[in-house]
Amino acid sequence: DTGVSQDPRHKITKRGQNVTFRCDPISEHNRLYWYRQTLGQGPEFLTYFQNEAQLEKSRLLSDRFSAERPKGSFSTLEIQRTEQGDSAMYLCASSLGGQRSNYGYTFGSGTRLTVV
Amino acid sequence: TQLLEQSPQFLSIQEGENLTVYCNSSSVFSSLQWYRQEPGEGPVLLVTVVTGGEVKKLKRLTFQFGDARKDSSLHITAAQTGDTGLYLCAGGITGGGNKLTFGTGTQLKVEL
Repeated sequence: DTGVSQDPRHKITKRGQNVTFRCDPISEHNRLYWYRQTLGQGPEFLTYFQNEAQLEKSRLLSDRFSAERPKGSFSTLEIQRTEQGDSAMYLCASSLGGQRSNYGYTFGSGTRLTVV
Repeated sequence: TQLLEQSPQFLSIQEGENLTVYCNSSSVFSSLQWYRQEPGEGPVLLVTVVTGGEVKKLKRLTFQFGDARKDSSLHITAAQTGDTGLYLCAGGITGGGNKLTFGTGTQLKVEL
């Protein structure tokens, strides 16, 4: 297993266009998380899945954002009608799941989105 | 809403100096993790602490979880240029689905 993969690494899009990002987690990790990060700041939680179920979605996530994990493996994050404020690094992470809260995340390298 | 404030926000030091980064919250966390992030990459886990007062060492890095599990610190001894990066603390709560709340970040630059 080569870790968490994200595709694409970079995306430049015009305002108003739709974009979709993909994340392939570590295969034995049942939890998958999406975070958004602006330069020099800490990541902000967007949503997470346990297997194929989306268990929590941040209030930061407007109706233009949707995420799926159809078979409990890879996940996609779609942004519709992009705005300049959507420009950020979108990070995917995976972890083991369970009652404890101390499983570390393995992050992907992120997708850098620039909306022009 | 759980917030984790890190201080300082920026730190620029010479190689060989010592430094401490602080992570503070008004909320209690079940666990506290520290990550380091380099430009253009995702954060990489350094350590997890789960017990109040716990101290963990990783070579020149020493991590401590506060007794009340509301704060943590990261101390680096004899910093090296390879320590340069964005340091992030992150707190988790039991029953929270292992969802982590990340701190505001400390950008460290170590120069020769």
